[in-house]
Amino acid sequence: KNEVEQSPQNLTAQEGEFITINCSYSVGISALHWLQQHPGGGIVSLFMLSSGKKKHGRLIATINIQEKHSSLHITASHPRDSAVYICAVGRTAQKLVFGQGTRLTINP
Amino acid sequence: DGGITQSPKYLFRKEGQNVTLSCEQNLNHDAMYWYRQDPGQGLRLIYYSQIVNDFQKGDIAEGYSVSREKKESFPLTVTSAQKNPTAFYLCASSISSGLSPNGYTFGSGTRLTVV
Repeated sequence: KNEVEQSPQNLTAQEGEFITINCSYSVGISALHWLQQHPGGGIVSLFMLSSGKKKHGRLIATINIQEKHSSLHITASHPRDSAVYICAVGRTAQKLVFGQGTRLTINP
Repeated sequence: DGGITQSPKYLFRKEGQNVTLSCEQNLNHDAMYWYRQDPGQGLRLIYYSQIVNDFQKGDIAEGYSVSREKKESFPLTVTSAQKNPTAFYLCASSISSGLSPNGYTFGSGTRLTVV
């Protein structure tokens, strides 16, 4: 079993839908990261959180340390949100463990 | 604008040749990292460096080498000893390297194809 599991692996939705991507982990962590990988391959760091909830624009990330689970939500989804979303967890920067990613496609 | 520059974006090499991937950052970050990404797998750490003239092996260092002569630069050499070098390579940097950092900055990646 992978130390970081994301679900779903693939998600297709219509523009405007509310999107949820889940991340479960089995290792002890001090922080969890959500990353966005564009079709060209470049990666953007969206959130780093160690407790509670963070919001940036239409993106919301939550984490439950006791349940070892995090969710990334996208409200009012748009085709430009189409990307691969990656969860990464760890205690230190050099010991991050990455999930396999969730490929999100938003159709107009 | 500050950021990380990886070059080239696409690279083709013949089997048995060494190849060096460039990574430059102007963010004044102390720590730099090289990751490898294969289809259907999460990113895996090849090497990292916390400070100039020092670097450490990651999870899959065999067949790779690095140097950190300058704070801004962390080139990765894929040697002929790497048995399956075709992959997407990502460079990243962060402010701190001890406890979990404020966040990573990633480059745009280099897709290496060995024929």
